[in-house]
Amino acid sequence: AAGVIQSPRHLIKEKRETATLKCYPIPRHDTVYWYQQGPGQDPQFLISFYEKMQSDKGSIPDRFSAQQFSDYHSELNMSSLELGDSALYFCASSTGGVAPISYEQYFGPGTRLTVT
Amino acid sequence: KQEVTQIPAALSVPEGENLVLNCSFTDSAIYNLQWFRQDPGKGLTSLLLIQSSQREQTSGRLNASLDKSSGRSTLYIAASQPGDSATYLCAVNSPGGSRLTFGEGTQLTVNP
Repeated sequence: AAGVIQSPRHLIKEKRETATLKCYPIPRHDTVYWYQQGPGQDPQFLISFYEKMQSDKGSIPDRFSAQQFSDYHSELNMSSLELGDSALYFCASSTGGVAPISYEQYFGPGTRLTVT
Repeated sequence: KQEVTQIPAALSVPEGENLVLNCSFTDSAIYNLQWFRQDPGKGLTSLLLIQSSQREQTSGRLNASLDKSSGRSTLYIAASQPGDSATYLCAVNSPGGSRLTFGEGTQLTVNP
């Protein structure tokens, strides 16, 4: 069965550089979520999109932006990178959009971002 | 603000034991609860999803229960195996949105 695809899998950037992470949801899934997992921490919700519109926003820094495109893939753009941005970034997808209709979220393998 | 707590933080058991992982959440107005497995440095594998109207879900050797009114869920693993060694995360949908709020996980080690 098709899963959530994330690219790249690993990314090394220097401070103050920019990075773009891509997410391709499971076919026919209309909702995409982004999470950040720091070392030894649990995943923290950043932002989500339903039918190409932002549906929920969490603790996403102003330096980050994201969007969902017409083919439902999503990109997370990160600018002015800081050492503290080093983390595993997960994308998840589901069907059904916003609450109260919430369905199972399927996670991608993650992108490991290292900022030096 | 929804908060999720998992107990214990770490657990080490001999192979073959049955074990219970606990998850509690502060706001009972959830839509569903998911249990995940995470191997070191890897992604999240969804194990079980319990809708808010359900009390229990089973998959193979795994059984998850939900008591929404008391804000608790348990994950029961029967006849544990070394391959079950991983971190187990509990996550709930937060009220007003579709985001998942995660607990800090239980790190399970099953010794051969």
